[in-house]
Amino acid sequence: EVQLVQSGAEVKKPGESLKISCKGSGYSFTSYWIGWVRQMPGKGLEWMGIIYPGDSDTRYSPSFQGQVTISADKSISTAYLQWSSLKASDTAMYYCARRGIGLADFDYWGQGTLVTVSS
Amino acid sequence: QSALTQPRSVSGSPGQSVTISCTGTSSDVGGYNYVSWYQQHPGKAPKLMIYDVSKRPSGVPDRFSGSKSGNTASLTISGLQAEDEADYYCCSYAGSYTSLYVFGTGTKVTVL
Repeated sequence: EVQLVQSGAEVKKPGESLKISCKGSGYSFTSYWIGWVRQMPGKGLEWMGIIYPGDSDTRYSPSFQGQVTISADKSISTAYLQWSSLKASDTAMYYCARRGIGLADFDYWGQGTLVTVSS
Repeated sequence: QSALTQPRSVSGSPGQSVTISCTGTSSDVGGYNYVSWYQQHPGKAPKLMIYDVSKRPSGVPDRFSGSKSGNTASLTISGLQAEDEADYYCCSYAGSYTSLYVFGTGTKVTVL
């Protein structure tokens, strides 16, 4: 069974750093792209970026380029999303999702990680 | 890359059909046959309902269907059921030299 399991909720202060994770299982982790999606409170889905764990090829949405870093450790089947200096506006639910065999089918999703940034 | 435009809400009675539109440009929806649709219930992760404009993943009821004409994609839910009440988002591939993907603004489907 394909599963993406994300790390737990985080509460951070502005300016702090953070790295959240997404562990894949039940499939060949290195053969599928993993994307990250932001959902701010009460708002819609926003595509942030995507990584191919097989060779760490990474693409970012222009809106998030330079704001976050996406990485992966294929030895432990885990993708990451990290911030070096959080802002209150980073408060949101973050989802990872596996891209299927097509170009725009995110077929399996993690349960989401709620990040709260507040002083 | 601007978000794809969806109606804020649509509604229908059980058994009826509703259609949700998703309007983009020739750089995304109109340029590729890579549009997908996601259902999201409150507090839950999105679920893939349609991909490649009109294909249904295994396990998705055939009440859900997708289509595209020009720069607008559509999701139709036939035989509306109570459990279909949720938010729905479209997503389009936008090319490897741009944002790569763009989501729609989201539509709340209400079953009356």
